[in-house]
Amino acid sequence: DAKTTQPNSMESNEEEPVHLPCNHSTISGTDYIHWYRQLPSQGPEYVIHGLTSNVNNRMASLAIAEDRKSSTLILHRATLRDAAVYYCILRDVMDSNYQLIWGAGTKLIIKP
Amino acid sequence: DAGVTQSPTHLIKTRGQHVTLRCSPISGHKSVSWYQQVLGQGPQFIFQYYEKEERGRGNFPDRFSARQFPNYSSELNVNALLLGDSALYLCASYTTGDYGYTFGSGTRLTVV
Repeated sequence: DAKTTQPNSMESNEEEPVHLPCNHSTISGTDYIHWYRQLPSQGPEYVIHGLTSNVNNRMASLAIAEDRKSSTLILHRATLRDAAVYYCILRDVMDSNYQLIWGAGTKLIIKP
Repeated sequence: DAGVTQSPTHLIKTRGQHVTLRCSPISGHKSVSWYQQVLGQGPQFIFQYYEKEERGRGNFPDRFSARQFPNYSSELNVNALLLGDSALYLCASYTTGDYGYTFGSGTRLTVV
């Protein structure tokens, strides 16, 4: 079973910031927090990952709570192309299988 | 560079038949994983191969099998197809140092 919980769906207006929450209360010290997104009719796409500190890249920012039991993916200025299902996944670096256990994700709807 | 390529893109099979799905990873990537995604759900891990050896197997029946070839391409085989095997089958490749998996667009399998 997935070790993360996310809202089923969220709506946001175009060109506004979006904060996608994720709870992972049972996270272990060796779990990295990964985010992927899946656009309609496509395979999932890596977005960002982090361990303890907040992370930024060209796609998004990841804010990690101090106790690591929750995190938030931040899209700074959403566009219509950001409409997708966003998945928050924990990946144990000690797991040599690199198996990703996915939940149902959050469907992000962007309104023009 | 070409991404992860999967073939065919769509496939319709009859119950009881056998199917072979193919995946070519990104050049230089030695790890390939297979996932099954049923409509409305997140992907579920089926297999991972690294350097032609099986490194991980998900909770799928023995009707599912896979292999990886010397050029690191991979095949997923499913025997005795059931209606419940209808899904999007995703292939992902990975190499040491990558931040995350790169997924193909998948093969949409419909069993009738």
